Amino acid sequence: QMTQSPTSLSASVGDTIIITCRASQNINTFLNWYQQTPGNAPKLLIYGASNLQSGVPSRFSASGSGTIFTLTVTSLQPEDFGFYFCHQAYSGHTFGQGTKVDIK
Amino acid sequence: QVQLVQSGGEVKKSGASVKVSCKASGYTFTGYSIQWVRQAPGQSLEWMGWINTGHGNTEYSQKFQGRVTITRDISASTAYMELTGLRYEDAAVYYCARGSGTSRAGYYMDVWGTGTTVTVSS
Repeated sequence: QMTQSPTSLSASVGDTIIITCRASQNINTFLNWYQQTPGNAPKLLIYGASNLQSGVPSRFSASGSGTIFTLTVTSLQPEDFGFYFCHQAYSGHTFGQGTKVDIK
Repeated sequence: QVQLVQSGGEVKKSGASVKVSCKASGYTFTGYSIQWVRQAPGQSLEWMGWINTGHGNTEYSQKFQGRVTITRDISASTAYMELTGLRYEDAAVYYCARGSGTSRAGYYMDVWGTGTTVTVSS
């Protein structure tokens, strides 16, 4: 089971946000992050807990291992508003419930 | 460019079956797995299963075992997901995604399909 926090947050352009994902058991670094904007398919941001997917801006970063993981977005841009999901691929596949990021 | 194009939306009656296709282009089809994930309205993502496009072997989520079948046609670079015994709660957007990574470093879904909306009616 993957638990994200917060479930929603409001932020302004230029802000830094941090989203946390907690696993119910040790999942090593088998943790990925996706972004989804309304009406679109999810987009891979981070794989293997901290590896930035090709083409993803460097303002996105992530860290963690074991059971606690974080996604950080610095200098938030208008296109960054939407939903973020963590995903564990250590034992089967499970997604977090999502974090909604909207404009303050 | 690498893309996965899915079949169009479907409206099905409760108890019926639906089969969604996912056509890959821009890469070697058999070099990557295809995963299937669904998203009910306002909900998170739910993994359904995957297929090794080279060997054809599959693995399904326990939740869908017995109701879902994933197949592929290598000559058409297309994967299929069939869900039987549709219930109202199966109404969702169904996505295919390309599976990448390794067993050592972990797997991830790096390219997602266009999505197929399945509506279940009475």
